Amino acid sequence: GQNIDQPTEMTATEGAIVQINCTYQTSGFNGLFWYQQHAGEAPTFLSYNVLDGLEEKGRFSSFLSRSKGYSYLLLKELQMKDSASYLCAVRPTFGAGSYQLTFGKGTKLSVIP
Amino acid sequence: DSGVTQTPKHLITATGQRVTLRCSPRSGDLSVYWYQQSLDQGLQFLIQYYNGEERAKGNILERFSAQQFPDLHSELNLSSLELGDSALYFCASSRRGQGASETQYFGPGTRLLVL
Repeated sequence: GQNIDQPTEMTATEGAIVQINCTYQTSGFNGLFWYQQHAGEAPTFLSYNVLDGLEEKGRFSSFLSRSKGYSYLLLKELQMKDSASYLCAVRPTFGAGSYQLTFGKGTKLSVIP
Repeated sequence: DSGVTQTPKHLITATGQRVTLRCSPRSGDLSVYWYQQSLDQGLQFLIQYYNGEERAKGNILERFSAQQFPDLHSELNLSSLELGDSALYFCASSRRGQGASETQYFGPGTRLLVL
């Protein structure tokens, strides 16, 4: 089966750094994605990791450890507009027909002044 | 704006009814995915199409069906609707529907309310 765990909610202060963790147990692994979703809106792509290590993209970085089934999303210099849900998604298998994503329930981040 | 369009934006209907949700993928994308998002379940994968053919199936109920047409737009049909079907339904598209790094781009969603 597939199991992806993220904290339900987090609160952080404007200008600070926040780390959102994701642990996964899936039948096979072929990549991990992070999406941002503002309330009632479409998820938007943030990052992709398939190899161990850190991927940096502006204020956002994502880390992966395949041996630990663990990833985190790091948001620096937090802005009020970063208040949103952050979804961790895993592509569990690699083969014909198996390109869908399995999503965690998301972490709702509130940025406060 | 991801380039994926969905209609209608909102839909209110009654139990037992049937509705059709429509999705147009980004220009050049061949694969379409349907997801259901409810408050307590998060995003659940329903079904994937690639160039008109079903590619993968997830947690899609038998009351639900989908298809992808020659112009690559897709429709999700929901029938015998129940209160529990109330949710946000998202369509996503990707270039080829294969490849580990291929990103899915999501449409704005259709909010379905079953009364």
